Amino acid sequence: QVQLQESGPGLVKPSQTLSLTCTVSGGSISSGGYYWSWIRQPAGKGLEWIGRIYTSGSTNYNPSLQSRVTISIDTSKNQFSLKLSSVTAADTAVYYCARGSAAVNYAFEIWGQGTMVTASS
Amino acid sequence: DIQMTQSPSSLSASVGDRVTITCRASQTISNYLNWYQQKPGKAPKVLIYATSSLQSGVPSRFSGSGSGTDFTLTINSLQPEDVATYYCQQSHVTPYTFGQGTRLEIE
Repeated sequence: QVQLQESGPGLVKPSQTLSLTCTVSGGSISSGGYYWSWIRQPAGKGLEWIGRIYTSGSTNYNPSLQSRVTISIDTSKNQFSLKLSSVTAADTAVYYCARGSAAVNYAFEIWGQGTMVTASS
Repeated sequence: DIQMTQSPSSLSASVGDRVTITCRASQTISNYLNWYQQKPGKAPKVLIYATSSLQSGVPSRFSGSGSGTDFTLTINSLQPEDVATYYCQQSHVTPYTFGQGTRLEIE
């Protein structure tokens, strides 16, 4: 059973960089047919897709965040990561990592439990 | 970006009722429409993918239909454990986008 777990600081100062890691267990991040995404959700609000990465390293980002986002993958550690620079209070949210699969129409079939990140001084 | 619009934003129904939630895309997305259920404090869970395919382990009272720009999630015989917020999501093109959510409560 593949599981995802987010980790990283829960508090980030404005103008600094948010860094989160998603660790994949129960399976290999290098398995074909999948992509690895970050999604966020401000308190009481809806879901926003941040971006995705394939095992090849190919990425796609949400244009609304593209200038500030970097997603990377470390297959040796079975992890992928998110960096979001120049954070503001608007970046305060629960951040989820998720696996998307071509087998389910590129839906997000497995999610981490989410981690709350607050941007505040 | 493709805008996804759900209706209603919230609804209340009784146990045993049939509930319908609709989702409209701002442009055609073929069948690349997925539905998620999110319970308070939990991550979303995929219920339906490719418009009408039931994800493994999801009760058969959930079903989906539609094509092009208009889609529907139906819950037959509503159960107390179905209290949640439901989101549609298009996986046709990036940036992937979600509807604003429909909060479902039990009367």
